[in-house]
Amino acid sequence: DPKIIQKPKYLVAVTGSEKILICEQYLGHNAMYWYRQSAKKPLEFMFSYSYQKLMDNQTASSRFQPQSSKKNHLDLQITALKPDDSATYFCASSQDRTGGYEQYFGPGTRLTVL
Amino acid sequence: QQNVQQSPESLIVPEGARTSLNCTFSDSASQYFWWYRQHSGKAPKALMSIFSNGEKEEGRFTIHLNKASLHFSLHIRDSQPSDSALYLCAVPPNYNVLYFGSGTKLTVEP
Repeated sequence: DPKIIQKPKYLVAVTGSEKILICEQYLGHNAMYWYRQSAKKPLEFMFSYSYQKLMDNQTASSRFQPQSSKKNHLDLQITALKPDDSATYFCASSQDRTGGYEQYFGPGTRLTVL
Repeated sequence: QQNVQQSPESLIVPEGARTSLNCTFSDSASQYFWWYRQHSGKAPKALMSIFSNGEKEEGRFTIHLNKASLHFSLHIRDSQPSDSALYLCAVPPNYNVLYFGSGTKLTVEP
């Protein structure tokens, strides 16, 4: 059974629209993260949450808003979509926010903005 | 924020060869150093980590870390076609946020 679920797997959106990417983890972890990977940029950190609190934000744009409704959920809302937002978005989790714990990645949501 | 650089960008080796991948980082205060592997179209998956200077071996994989020279490396012994993937090094600061290098694309030819 998959331990980290991301929905949808593929997403096509038009410029200017809004989408929500869903992430649920069933590993009992306390920390969750969002990363982004595109052809133009390597895998880059976006947000980290610990016990449902935002801890780190490396995303300059306020168009990206993480939302945590439950301890094991971390969704990502993206507004006013641009073609440059096209990427694969990975959710990850780890036992804790300290540096020694392995991060487990979900399968990703591939977003294409037309 | 860590500045993480990887070399080479890509590598093609024959099956059975020994492969070496390199990673440099900018902040020596980091305590943990990771290698992740990402097969095409899949999620990154942790391969192994090291937290003290020296060497750590797990099966065919060995990590070397030299914090003074801001460098760590991954060595693969007896490379297999199944090792073909994108290899990403990651260096978190004092908390668990992974700053990745741009990756080395490894191809092992049968």
